Amino acid sequence: QKEVEQDPGPLSVPEGAIVSLNCTYSNSAFQYFMWYRQYSRKGPELLMYTYSSGNKEDGRFTAQVDKSSKYISLFIRDSQPSDSATYLCAILNNQGGKLIFGQGTELSVKP
Amino acid sequence: NAGVTQTPKFQVLKTGQSMTLQCAQDMNHEYMSWYRQDPGMGLRLIHYSVGAGITDQGEVPNGYNVSRSTTEDFPLRLLSAAPSQTSVYFCASSRDPNEKLFFGSGTQLSVL
Repeated sequence: QKEVEQDPGPLSVPEGAIVSLNCTYSNSAFQYFMWYRQYSRKGPELLMYTYSSGNKEDGRFTAQVDKSSKYISLFIRDSQPSDSATYLCAILNNQGGKLIFGQGTELSVKP
Repeated sequence: NAGVTQTPKFQVLKTGQSMTLQCAQDMNHEYMSWYRQDPGMGLRLIHYSVGAGITDQGEVPNGYNVSRSTTEDFPLRLLSAAPSQTSVYFCASSRDPNEKLFFGSGTQLSVL
């Protein structure tokens, strides 16, 4: 079993919808939580980053971490067709430098 | 400013052949890593390095070797290619593993 689990989707929503993407992890030593976005045939790019429980907002994006449940989420408000991409959660075990990615969720936002 | 440069972009190998995927970064990053990406599997960490002369295994290291003789370069060697190594390979770097990771454009490898 992977240390980080993510529902691969695919997920299809209409433009303007609120999108919820989720990951669970197994190791309580994980300290840093990130979301990357990957467009087709490109390398991933960092979208959001947090290291504490709670919420962090950046425009239409909100990252949420619940360390007690080992659960992280990314919410996208007012989703746009340009948000169509694969979203990957990534979690760092700060004891050594292993950055582990989830399987990625493929999101499609329909106009 | 080139960032992270991977070569080649595409490669076809026969089973049993060896090759090296090149990765270079010009940002003076200490942390470098190699991932492979397969459908439905996300990015899986192969090997990583926290500085010159230091390497460690990731999630799927078997069949791959790495070395880090300089800060800039982090080549990935396939010792004896197998069809199971058909994948897209990404190299990435950052100042520190808990900071933003910069990815190369990927190498698409097919092993026949």
